[in-house]
Amino acid sequence: AQSVTQLDSHVSVSEGTPVLLRCNYSSSYSPSLFWYVQHPNKGLQLLLKYTSAATLVKGINGFEAEFKKSETSFHLTKPSAHMSDAAEYFCVVSALTGGGNKLTFGTGTQLKVEL
Amino acid sequence: DGGITQSPKYLFRKEGQNVTLSCEQNLNHDAMYWYRQDPGQGLRLIYYSQIVNDFQKGDIAEGYSVSREKKESFPLTVTSAQKNPTAFYLCASSTITGFGYEQYFGPGTRLTVT
Repeated sequence: AQSVTQLDSHVSVSEGTPVLLRCNYSSSYSPSLFWYVQHPNKGLQLLLKYTSAATLVKGINGFEAEFKKSETSFHLTKPSAHMSDAAEYFCVVSALTGGGNKLTFGTGTQLKVEL
Repeated sequence: DGGITQSPKYLFRKEGQNVTLSCEQNLNHDAMYWYRQDPGQGLRLIYYSQIVNDFQKGDIAEGYSVSREKKESFPLTVTSAQKNPTAFYLCASSTITGFGYEQYFGPGTRLTVT
């Protein structure tokens, strides 16, 4: 069984300050982990993914995430927030099971960026 | 441009009517998926298909049906048996159902049933 917990449903930052969106996972198998972003009434766009290579993963738009196996965490960070970063972010775990590749989504973190 | 298209963007139906949501991809992906999104609940898998003429139930398949007659197309029918059909529906595809492959998402269809 696998699960994802996004620790904050809402995060608010000022433009130019760092962003931290927290994600913890649970998986019986060695997982792949993803972060997706969703702007209002749009589909999901992949930000970055971890697939057992380097533990620090760089993504698009200046985002990065670090896989920490000992903490079962995959937190998303960005050094300086921009107004265009305001969106909902989903942490996703993928594991190959008997039924194939299964994605499990977190419940999302709404990021608000203020001037 | 390669990608996934979903139509229509907004759909309104009366209770008791079946409705079909379209999903087309030109990415040459083998696998396609349908998800339902409700506020504060993330995405939940309805059905998925790994190859043409084959599909599997996801976590919340009751009240839904699908077909996969062509590699490019994976329409979802929301039947009158679905108790709470109002939601945002997302279609996705991936190259392979193996390990570590990301899914690509369409823009979604917002269905409102009254």
